[in-house]
Amino acid sequence: GESVGLHLPTLSVQEGDNSIINCAYSNSASDYFIWYKQESGKGPQFIIDIRSNMDKRQGQRVTVLLNKTVKHLSLQIAATQPGDSAVYFCAENPSGYQKVTFGTGTKLQVIP
Amino acid sequence: EAQVTQNPRYLITVTGKKLTVTCSQNMNHEYMSWYRQDPGLGLRQIYYSMNVEVTDKGDVPEGYKVSRKEKRNFPLILESPSPNQTSLYFCASSSGTEHSPLHFGNGTRLTVT
Repeated sequence: GESVGLHLPTLSVQEGDNSIINCAYSNSASDYFIWYKQESGKGPQFIIDIRSNMDKRQGQRVTVLLNKTVKHLSLQIAATQPGDSAVYFCAENPSGYQKVTFGTGTKLQVIP
Repeated sequence: EAQVTQNPRYLITVTGKKLTVTCSQNMNHEYMSWYRQDPGLGLRQIYYSMNVEVTDKGDVPEGYKVSRKEKRNFPLILESPSPNQTSLYFCASSSGTEHSPLHFGNGTRLTVT
């Protein structure tokens, strides 16, 4: 498997429970935030995004919460499934600028 | 199917032997970028391109070259690979409009001995 999962904080969750993955960002000028999922042997895959004029956005089984006051982002996965096992990255994008800065990632392990 | 295609998936080479990793996207995206991913360091940007014939350095450009002669292709060139370039490489693209997510290829695992 890929070595990308080494040295990462790991979250272990029982199948069916909800998962919460947290991320702190650094740039106050960032106005666009994205969560990516990376499965073993694959590239990062877009999950959900949120703009800074929102504090919550929901997708299918996923919710992203943004707290600009403390520069914190979280990804909530409802009813976690074995297929959710992966490394999750948050990314921030300053306004009007294509450069994206990625967090180091969190490994989610789903226990059957 | 909309995708970013990288080749090869795996590559083992020796120090100093020039190599090229190809990247192609079929989404008519203007923006393309290369990243390397290393344990504990996350994804770091090597080079990016805002459009044809427009390229710029990312955070770790040393030892790499790129070209963008046509919109769909963005090859990564290592003129003289060294062992510290052993890494997992990803190509990505986006429409280039503000607030557009990146689409990634499946990666190229490069080992330089």
